[in-house]
Amino acid sequence: DVKVTQSSRYLVKRTGEKVFLECVQDMDHENMFWYRQDPGLGLRLIYFSYDVKMKEKGDIPEGYSVSREKKERFSLILESASTNQTSMYLCASTPTASVEQYFGPGTRLTVT
Amino acid sequence: RKEVEQDPGPFNVPEGATVAFNCTYSNSASQSFFWYRQDCRKEPKLLMSVYSSGNEDGRFTAQLNRASQYISLLIRDSKLSDSATYLCVVIFGNMLTFGGGTRLMVKP
Repeated sequence: DVKVTQSSRYLVKRTGEKVFLECVQDMDHENMFWYRQDPGLGLRLIYFSYDVKMKEKGDIPEGYSVSREKKERFSLILESASTNQTSMYLCASTPTASVEQYFGPGTRLTVT
Repeated sequence: RKEVEQDPGPFNVPEGATVAFNCTYSNSASQSFFWYRQDCRKEPKLLMSVYSSGNEDGRFTAQLNRASQYISLLIRDSKLSDSATYLCVVIFGNMLTFGGGTRLMVKP
């Protein structure tokens, strides 16, 4: 059974803080993704990674960066959090050549 | 125009009703299509794939209309437990695009 975990379910940070969101998957998946989900806007892709140390920008990468030093771990970094980054952040993974995405439980981030 | 569009709903239906949602997409070269289900405050989970020939899984039927560029999801004999948000996903190359989701509420 695939398991994708995220470091926090709820997080509150102040404007300007550096924020790290961690995602770990235990199924040796090649591909990992970070999304944010906002009411009325659906899921929007921030960044994805097809391999260790590789990253690709998604639809809304501005204000975010990512790190993939190990295959099982994909980190999302908010260099200087802003209130418009208040959102639900979802991590997902998928094995190569398969498109079913397995999602983590999500992190609800509030920036005040 | 959004790449993938869904009516956000909510669709309020009584138990036992048949309900259908559509999802339109703008890229005619899109290759793969899926429906995901997302319960309140939970992560999305794959419901079913959508094939050109259509596919059925119990009370759920998914269809693809390439000419009109939409996919559909039909739910027969709705159950209370079907209440959720249904997200369509359209894939082109390595890019996945989610629709905004359609919320379904099944009432007793």
